[in-house]
Parts: sequence; structure tokens; C-alpha cells
Amino acid sequence: GAGVSQSPSNKVTEKGKDVELRCDPISGHTALYWYRQSLGQGLEFLIYFQGNSAPDKSGLPSDRFSAERTGGSVSTLTIQRTQQEDSAVYLCASNLGAGELFFGEGSRLTVL
Amino acid sequence: QQQVKQSPQSLIVQKGGISIINCAYENTAFDYFPWYQQFPGKGPALLIAIRPDVSEKKEGRFTISFNKSAKQFSLHIMDSQPGDSATYFCAASGFSQGGKLIFGQGTELSVKP
Repeated sequence: GAGVSQSPSNKVTEKGKDVELRCDPISGHTALYWYRQSLGQGLEFLIYFQGNSAPDKSGLPSDRFSAERTGGSVSTLTIQRTQQEDSAVYLCASNLGAGELFFGEGSRLTVL
Repeated sequence: QQQVKQSPQSLIVQKGGISIINCAYENTAFDYFPWYQQFPGKGPALLIAIRPDVSEKKEGRFTISFNKSAKQFSLHIMDSQPGDSATYFCAASGFSQGGKLIFGQGTELSVKP
């Protein structure tokens, strides 16, 4: 497809389990972003990849969160030992490094 | 602290009325101020954006007003329609942020018929 694709769209997991969320950005977009949207909250920046530069990890809330981007394209956000407060919608976006962000529809994570 | 503060948290407007959402920022290095619209179950999508070299930008029924000295900007939706009911986010970015946007907390707009 032409847009940002995220999977899974919904994930229910038990506290303490690890989860992986996938993002497939728009082809040709050099920059990829992860944001988190909690109920009633704004969009919280998590991490940003730009080309071959070191990622900006300044928004990751704890060392349980990590992300990688392979081959300058697909990205995976991993949350280890999930906690109930990790429940949120995780949004991925991409662009050419500046300007308009193109968002996917998000992965809704529920931690029981 | 690089924050963007948005108000109100929720807004109810009658059809045909004017919806106004306000944002304030702290970092004077910010030079790009977009507004995003999000419908339930969807990702946010760019609605309109402004740079600080102009005080106002209008696209159809949507207008951004920008006050550089006050470090504030606002979204005005004229002739609000039920189809405008959505969550609106203001955001800001600058060179030091790379391409990342700092978002406000969001405003849930409901336009009553």
C-alpha cells in the first residue's frame, strides 16, 4: 500500500510478557518516528530514526523499550516485561526528514 | 523544557459556529507549527501548518493565527460541521529537534447538529 502500515492493529498481552510492534513506512521515506498515545493523553514522542544517523532515543520511557530499523525501512518497537501502564496506542510515522508526518493507524496494546 | 500546551481539552460547538483551539510553546527555536486532525481508530493527519514568518494562514474553513511575541498559535474552524468532530493536536518543531514534532495534549471537538 501507499501509506504507513503497522501490525498488529491490536495486541492483548499479559503483564511481564514481551511484545513486538512492527512499522512499514512509506517507500522512500528516510525518517521514521514512534509515538505513544495513551487514553486522554497527547502524542508522546518515543524514538526517531533518520537515515544512517544514530537514532534519537530521548523519548523512550525506560530501558524496557527499544526499537530498531533494519535496512533503512521496516522498524520494530520492542517492549520487554510489559506493565499495565504500557497500555496505549503506539503510532508510527514517516517522512523525508522534515515537514509533514504521515502516520499509520497504530497498534493498540492492552496489558492485562 | 520543550513543551507545547494546548487548550481546551474538550470543546462542544453548534453546527455553523466557530471552533477555537489554542496552543502555547516555550522554545523560541521552534519554526514550524502544524495542526493534526485525528478521527477515532485512525492515525493523525496534517490539517494545516504555519511558519513564524507569517501571522495567519487560511485554508478553506481552517485558519491558523500565530503570535510570535506571545509564543502562541491557534486554530479557528469557521462554519463548524458535524464532520469536523475529531481530536485536534497542535505541534511544534525546530532545527534542533531534527524532524520530530512535539505535540500538545489534544482537543476533542464535538460539533452538534
